[in-house]
Amino acid sequence: SAVISQKPSRDICQRGTSLTIQCQVDSQVTMMFWYRQQPGQSLTLIATANQGSEATYESGFVIDKFPISRPNLTFSTLTVSNMSPEDSSIYLCSVLSTQEGEKLFFGSGTQLSVL
Amino acid sequence: GENVEQHPSTLSVQEGDSAVIKCTYSDSASNYFPWYKQELGKGPQLIIDIRSNVGEKKDQRIAVTLNKTAKHFSLHITETQPEDSAVYFCAASKGTDKLIFGTGTRLQVFP
Repeated sequence: SAVISQKPSRDICQRGTSLTIQCQVDSQVTMMFWYRQQPGQSLTLIATANQGSEATYESGFVIDKFPISRPNLTFSTLTVSNMSPEDSSIYLCSVLSTQEGEKLFFGSGTQLSVL
Repeated sequence: GENVEQHPSTLSVQEGDSAVIKCTYSDSASNYFPWYKQELGKGPQLIIDIRSNVGEKKDQRIAVTLNKTAKHFSLHITETQPEDSAVYFCAASKGTDKLIFGTGTRLQVFP
């Protein structure tokens, strides 16, 4: 499976600031995604990171709040903008690997706490 | 749209016993059903998956069964060990649609 490196692994941020999370994959992948996992909850898809074009956002998520970059087939960033305590969650990068059929793999996540 | 329900939300078993987690899905066109294990402070790890053309799949101590008629699928862990303790998520999707995740089951295996 693809090796997915995500950083930072955790951060504590002040209200109103922004945090950029980086995701690096060890092989080229077509599909990359960003998920949010609120405390004790399941996984919710934020957006699909499209290489060379704007990300595709799910209902309830907007580009101004969660801008995403995908400059190439191995790297993506997610920014959480103008943070509030409600943004405290785990943010997960994931990739769709076609090496063993189409399977979704996750990075180790970024634990974000907003004070 | 697709909806996935997962039960139980918590499960406690004695080491060596079996554990079963069940999920139901709503969209009969769904054809891919993975299971993920998430340990504390880590991202979800894909442990087994099944596609709709198969009724059962095994990998050592874990197995997944699929009943397309009833639209439910289950994860079976035999001879449980303390290191099996984690949160388990089921998911479902059809074609290239996004995965829809269940609400998770916290499994505790007591030595």
